Amino acid sequence: DAKTTQPTSMDCAEGRAANLPCNHSTISGNEYVYWYRQIHSQGPQYIIHGLKNNETNEMASLIITEDRKSSTLILPHATLRDTAVYYCIVPTKSSRLTFGEGTQLTVNP
Amino acid sequence: GAVVSQHPSWVICKSGTSVKIECRSLDFQATTMFWYRQFPKQSLMLMATSNEGSKATYEQGVEKDKFLINHASLTLSTLTVTSAHPEDSSFYICSARRLAGITDTQYFGPGTRLTVL
Repeated sequence: DAKTTQPTSMDCAEGRAANLPCNHSTISGNEYVYWYRQIHSQGPQYIIHGLKNNETNEMASLIITEDRKSSTLILPHATLRDTAVYYCIVPTKSSRLTFGEGTQLTVNP
Repeated sequence: GAVVSQHPSWVICKSGTSVKIECRSLDFQATTMFWYRQFPKQSLMLMATSNEGSKATYEQGVEKDKFLINHASLTLSTLTVTSAHPEDSSFYICSARRLAGITDTQYFGPGTRLTVL
């Protein structure tokens, strides 16, 4: 399984972009990177996933480096409701997700 | 979007009783569902993989006779905590795997908070 490394915590001002980094240096060529977030006392919420091209949806953008060893999740205009733990995950071949500690993003007013 | 529901959202039971938690995929079929457990201030831990029409696969250290899983249809999986004890008190979360082309994504339910007295 490709292991991921994320900062423990980050702060962001409301209305500004939040850039959350993730290292996955052992990722293999056909493994996807998935991002989820968990707001306190709720189930995780799927955000976005990608293989090698940058991806964008209504929630966020995902920038994957050319060597695929790291990626950045971008929330373009963070709101207070974006305060959550963000998880960067590379699933196993059997689709099992291993949740690490993630990054606690706090959006400040 | 893909919606997964869980029922109940919370339950309080006496020690020694059994509790059943339901997980439903509301707008898609899921041949595979997953059950996780989360203790306070910890991350989610995968308990088992539930496959429709076959036996569940349990993670190491999870007792299959204590945590009974049934996946009888493509939209419903159930987790029964048998003879619950206070140490089983936790936040139980399910997810359903949705296939889309060559990728698949897990969508999570809102979770069930179990308190065993």
